[in-house]
This record gives sequence, structure tokens and C-alpha cells, in this order.
Amino acid sequence: AQSVSQHNHHVILSEAASLELGCNYSYGGTVNLFWYVQYPGQHLQLLLKYFSGDPLVKGIKGFEAEFIKSKFSFNLRKPSVQWSDTAEYFCAVNARNYGQNFVFGPGTRLSVLP
Amino acid sequence: DAGVIQSPRHEVTEMGQEVTLRCKPISGHDYLFWYRQTMMRGLELLIYFNNNVPIDDSGMPEDRFSAKMPNASFSTLKIQPSEPRDSAVYFCASKLGTSYEQYFGPGTRLTVT
Repeated sequence: AQSVSQHNHHVILSEAASLELGCNYSYGGTVNLFWYVQYPGQHLQLLLKYFSGDPLVKGIKGFEAEFIKSKFSFNLRKPSVQWSDTAEYFCAVNARNYGQNFVFGPGTRLSVLP
Repeated sequence: DAGVIQSPRHEVTEMGQEVTLRCKPISGHDYLFWYRQTMMRGLELLIYFNNNVPIDDSGMPEDRFSAKMPNASFSTLKIQPSEPRDSAVYFCASKLGTSYEQYFGPGTRLTVT
């Protein structure tokens, strides 16, 4: 069965600090990988996705993520966070042999201090 | 586009009562997903439909839970009887065809006392 772990439950940063949120999954086959963001009081929104090709993918709002197959990881990064990045971030995995089943990580809450 | 619509946004009910959550997917989307979010278990997929047909309901916790999709624009998730441990935020999401991007609704926060 697939599973997704996220390294941190809650991360607190000051504005302009760099961000890296860890995500690891357990599945040996081909996967599609996603990061979703949930701003306070809002829907989950897709931040970025990886299907194939360049393992470094860029998403909206200056976020990027790197897929490292050997480490089963898909970490999210941003060089300089803003107060408006305060949100909950979810990593998700879809194993291509599992149809449309998505497995989400437990989420990481990011608080950016002004 | 109004996005995925869910109702009600909040529901408070007593243990043993029947609860019905509703979802209207984005027009034209042929996949619909129901998720449950709790502090303990995070975001879990309960069931998903393709062209109104349930494809995988292995995430439905038990027989008290049922989901239907009578047409392409409406789905329900019913809990009967409800229990306090069902308290959670229930999300509906929809997507189009082979695109992997799911669009989530605002969720229904259910509290069972």
C-alpha cells in the first residue's frame, strides 16, 4: 500500500527565510507527485505536480519541488517566504497502477512571521 | 465557473442521526472524489466515481457510510447512524478525464455530539 510522510508538523519562519518541506512516499513503482496548499479558510489548491521528465518542477508563487527517485522524496522549496505563504501544505502521491487513488500526507502547517 | 460546491458548510448533529452531505462537481468533470480530513488520520480518500459509477469504495470506513451519484452534477455522502468519531471535514473534489489535477470544494465540517 502507498503511504506518504511529511517531516514536519508545524514550521515557523520569518519573512524572507528559505523554506524546505520534506515529503517521502513508499511505493516502488511509477508515481505522480503533487503538492497542494490550503490557505486559511480556503480550498485545497494545486501548487505543483510531477509526472515525468525534469525532476525539478516549478509551481505557482515561486515554489518548486525536486523529485529524487532514489530517496523516494519530493521536497518542496521556496527561496524566500512571505507572510502570505502561511498555510497548510500537503504532499500527495498517485501510483500509476492504482488508478485514480491519491494518498495524501498528513500535512505541514507553515506559519510565516511578518 | 463556480468551482466545486458543497453543502452544508457546517453540520452539527446528535449521535444516531442520519447525515447527508452534498456535492456539485465542476460542470464537465467526469471524476468525483469524496475525502475525509481529521487531525489523527489526515486526508483520506473514501470513494471515487467515474461517469457516475463508483469505481473504488475501499476507503469507506464501514457500512454506515454510503455514497451515490445519481447524475453527473450531483453526489451525496450519507452517514446513518452517525457517531462522534465521524466528526471531520469532508471534502468533495472533481477532475476531468486523464488530467490529474483535482479541484476541491470548500468542505463540510461535521460535528457529531
